[in-house]
Amino acid sequence: EIVLTQSPGTLSLSPGERATLSCRASQSVSSSYLAWYQQKPGQAPRLLIYGASSRATGIPDRFSGSGSGTDFTLTISRLEPEDFAVYYCQQYGSSCTFGQGTKLEIK
Amino acid sequence: EVQLVESGGGLVQPGGSLRLSCAASGFTFSSYWMHWVRQAPGKGLVWVSRINSDGSSTSYADSVKGRFTISRDNAKNTLYLQMNSLRAEDTAVYYCARDSDSTNAFDIWGQGTMVTVSS
Repeated sequence: EIVLTQSPGTLSLSPGERATLSCRASQSVSSSYLAWYQQKPGQAPRLLIYGASSRATGIPDRFSGSGSGTDFTLTISRLEPEDFAVYYCQQYGSSCTFGQGTKLEIK
Repeated sequence: EVQLVESGGGLVQPGGSLRLSCAASGFTFSSYWMHWVRQAPGKGLVWVSRINSDGSSTSYADSVKGRFTISRDNAKNTLYLQMNSLRAEDTAVYYCARDSDSTNAFDIWGQGTMVTVSS
């Protein structure tokens, strides 16, 4: 099973700042099968990024994804108040696994 | 509107059974693979099971293999998860999710249904 490790566990930033979230895989993952989701309290997850770097429908361009192999990054260029949430990476190339999540909180 | 609506959750005793349903609308259900994902209280997302578009192929997480059965009725636009021999560690919100072959990701999620296994 491919294990995804996200860091940091919690990220404390202020609106307007840049957020960089990391997702590291225990073995190589095809970029085509790496996705990022946002989840707010009491809500279902929402697809943000698929194929490591493509934004899903309706996702603002302040969200971007990058990476390949075992290292992937989600970047939020300028944080808006509504961006504070938990973010999960997912690989779907070998079965399906999620990272443990990064909580993005207001500083 | 593209939508998934889960139902069937509730309180069940250890060793008991429950069947979850996920009603799909707003898209051609029979064209999509579907998944169940769960989330224990305060914890992260865990993939549970998937089924292909015509129901001929299924896959399960090791933690539920032999206890849970995923199925679908394309005529009723509904996905199911039959859960048997339930354990306390199965307590979670269960989400159904649509697998988009254009994105290789889960692009539509239901709101979730809570399953509590407790005596």
